[in-house]
Amino acid sequence: DAGITQSPRHKVTETGTPVTLRCHQTENHRYMYWYRQDPGHGLRLIHYSYGVKDTDKGEVSDGYSVSRSKTEDFLLTLESATSSQTSVYFCAISGAVDTEAFFGQGTRLTVV
Amino acid sequence: KQEVTQIPAALSVPEGENLVLNCSFTDSAIYNLQWFRQDPGKGLTSLLLIQSSQREQTSGRLNASLDKSSGRSTLYIAASQPGDSATYLCAVIITDKLIFGTGTRLQVFP
Repeated sequence: DAGITQSPRHKVTETGTPVTLRCHQTENHRYMYWYRQDPGHGLRLIHYSYGVKDTDKGEVSDGYSVSRSKTEDFLLTLESATSSQTSVYFCAISGAVDTEAFFGQGTRLTVV
Repeated sequence: KQEVTQIPAALSVPEGENLVLNCSFTDSAIYNLQWFRQDPGKGLTSLLLIQSSQREQTSGRLNASLDKSSGRSTLYIAASQPGDSATYLCAVIITDKLIFGTGTRLQVFP
């Protein structure tokens, strides 16, 4: 299995609080992605990174920010969590645009 | 905007049947296409990667084909087993982004 670790695996937080999810990889892959998965919507791209300090928005980036200060870590921050951000969040990595992508086990976030 | 569609959305078959899952995409300028499997409550497991220059890939009982010109890929599962029950997702890479279809939920009953 690809070395991807997401933390925490489960989190319950209150509306309006900041939340940071972490994705850590041991594969030295260049590309890292954050997705959310919701019933009826499938997997939707939030943000992605193509290198240290190089990030770009996906299709559902509003309310989210990311940072990548080193190759192995990609952080997703919800500045002020809302109930609509209750979801399962997945991190993925790949070495290049034409190589296989691998996923973490996901983080289940509940905003109450 | 790239759109990825998977048909059927759900499929229930008896054990032993050969079956085909379909994936279509609107923009043929893809780098590659990847098939994944997702078990309930779990992450995604990569099954097969087909690069844009390839026509098909095989792994065990799985065979995936790619026709870029028509914007289609199929995943063929031979001699299905109850352990194949899961959701199957296709994803295309275009520029730097991995774009997913909504999946086919497969149930194989004994």
